[in-house]
Amino acid sequence: GEDVEQSLFLSVREGDSSVINCTYTDSSSTYLYWYKQEPGAGLQLLTYIFSNMDMKQDQRLTVLLNKKDKHLSLRIADTQTGDSAIYFCAESSSSASKIIFGSGTRLSIRP
Amino acid sequence: EAGVVQSPRYKIIEKKQPVAFWCNPISGHNTLYWYRQNLGQGPELLIRYENEEAVDDSQLPKDRFSAERLKGVDSTLKIQPAELGDSAVYLCASNAGQGYNEQFFGPGTRLTVL
Repeated sequence: GEDVEQSLFLSVREGDSSVINCTYTDSSSTYLYWYKQEPGAGLQLLTYIFSNMDMKQDQRLTVLLNKKDKHLSLRIADTQTGDSAIYFCAESSSSASKIIFGSGTRLSIRP
Repeated sequence: EAGVVQSPRYKIIEKKQPVAFWCNPISGHNTLYWYRQNLGQGPELLIRYENEEAVDDSQLPKDRFSAERLKGVDSTLKIQPAELGDSAVYLCASNAGQGYNEQFFGPGTRLTVL
């Protein structure tokens, strides 16, 4: 079945770039997403990328997709304390309305 | 515009007791989802509604879980009886059917079964 894998933790210094990586198994994935979850809150869609794109940039966020390797990454430039959260990678195929989530990467920021 | 509303935010019950969670989606969103999020995990879909019809309930443990969305707007998820392993955050999400399937999540109900 479909599976999405990501590392559990990432610690970066304030002001540095954060790179969160994700791999997925479903070759029919059409959309790939990055969601952010702050403590006690639901998930918030940060950005998504269509499977025929290699890169998408949105302000401090850059998403890179390597479809051949089924690898997705999220780069956050100039990481701030407000970026501390759990980041979920997710995918869906065009034939399904459901989204498969990874287990999340907890991003912590050190001064 | 109000987001997805869920209640209660927290619930503590003893095992074998029943419990119910309520969700009001964003106005105009026809699709409603219930997810379960275990500690340290991503959300896992329990059931998806298109209007009042449950179109995907393959992951819903039907022996103890039930859900309804009678008028195609708000929805209730019930567990009866609850077991220790049901402790989790239950998330509700909705969307309006855009092509990229952006789902808007509520804050969730954190259930603790003792």
